[in-house]
Amino acid sequence: EAGVAQSPRYKIIEKRQSVAFWCNPISGHATLYWYQQILGQGPKLLIQFQNNGVVDDSQLPKDRFSAERLKGVDSTLKIQPAKLEDSAVYLCASSLVVTGKDAGNTIYFGEGSWLTVV
Amino acid sequence: AQKVTQAQTEISVVEKEDVTLDCVYETRDTTYYLFWYKQPPSGELVFLIRRNSFDEQNEISGRYSWNFQKSTSSFNFTITASQVVDSAVYFCALSEPNSGGYQKVTFGIGTKLQVIP
Repeated sequence: EAGVAQSPRYKIIEKRQSVAFWCNPISGHATLYWYQQILGQGPKLLIQFQNNGVVDDSQLPKDRFSAERLKGVDSTLKIQPAKLEDSAVYLCASSLVVTGKDAGNTIYFGEGSWLTVV
Repeated sequence: AQKVTQAQTEISVVEKEDVTLDCVYETRDTTYYLFWYKQPPSGELVFLIRRNSFDEQNEISGRYSWNFQKSTSSFNFTITASQVVDSAVYFCALSEPNSGGYQKVTFGIGTKLQVIP
């Protein structure tokens, strides 16, 4: 079974430029997550989708970050304009939701997209 | 307040030593789940174990074991006879329902384990 796919793997941009990351979750997984992991810290949830609806975006800096999951499958996370503090690994993850609301699903992660803003 | 506390930021052990990684969590929910993940240098978080709040049985998987104690809100992870391949960052995570009833997972800051040959 294919895992969570992410691209690009690495990206270096200048501040104020824009960048987009793509994620394709494990087939059949209804829930998709974007996490931000700054060096030396644990992953922090940016946004969580169930199918194509947002269920949590409370920690997403909406003035510069946006994400969509139009057909309930793959997703794109965009940063515009980027700041130096956005340098981090952006992790996409997915989980299989058997029922609509379940706190016990195992989350599977992709390898991450490493962003450096200079 | 931190919901998941991993007090050990870095640990170094010599190969074949046993090592325990501590995790203390905080929640008001009666139903919740705890996870451990391993993050090697490649960056991908690898799932190790999931435990629900109603199951306090300890679990052993090969050289790995987990001790869940609700009385102290701890979910500690022990590696027996450590190997160089165990070198990684290990994350403890708490999953509980958010205000809408959906899963919300909070990670600790991680413990970096270095196993020295």
